[in-house]
Amino acid sequence: AQSVTQPDIHITVSEGASLELRCNYSYGATPYLFWYVQSPGQGLQLLLKYFSGDTLVQGIKGFEAEFKRSQSSFNLRKPSVHWSDAAEYFCAVGAPDFGNEKLTFGTGTRLTIIP
Amino acid sequence: DGGITQSPKYLFRKEGQNVTLSCEQNLNHDAMYWYRQDPGQGLRLIYYSQIVNDFQKGDIAEGYSVSREKKESFPLTVTSAQKNPTAFYLCASKGKGNSGNTIYFGEGSWLTVV
Repeated sequence: AQSVTQPDIHITVSEGASLELRCNYSYGATPYLFWYVQSPGQGLQLLLKYFSGDTLVQGIKGFEAEFKRSQSSFNLRKPSVHWSDAAEYFCAVGAPDFGNEKLTFGTGTRLTIIP
Repeated sequence: DGGITQSPKYLFRKEGQNVTLSCEQNLNHDAMYWYRQDPGQGLRLIYYSQIVNDFQKGDIAEGYSVSREKKESFPLTVTSAQKNPTAFYLCASKGKGNSGNTIYFGEGSWLTVV
């Protein structure tokens, strides 16, 4: 079974600074990988996804993520954060061989932006 | 607009009562899901359905029931057997084709037991 770990529960970053949120997964082959963002009391919005091909994927709102097979990681990055980026971020992994029916989520990283 | 609609947004339940959360999608997606979210625990899968009139248990199905009589609807009933039902519930769906591997979410429903 697949699993995903987000080691940072809470991260604080100054506005305009760069950001990297960590995500490590466990799966026997190349999984499907996702990053979602959630504002308080809202649903989850897809930021980006990786299925195959180029290991650096671009998403919405200026986010990108890089799949590194050797490290079993899919870290999310943004070169310069904005106050509106404050939210909770979830990494998720799906199993291609089962049609991705059971998406497994990490426990999330809460991002705080300070002026 | 296409999307996933959950209702109600906020729901209060007395202990011993069953409640039903509604989820409707107009995306023509085949698969639908219910997740439960608790602080610090991420999202956990309750039930999912890949096709009409069929559904499977997820990781925490005890105390919940679902039906899938129509493609666009996947209601979740939280029964009195669910010992700790206070949580944020998220409905999701997934289609086929180019977007077939991506799950999209509704805005969620808050359930509080009083």
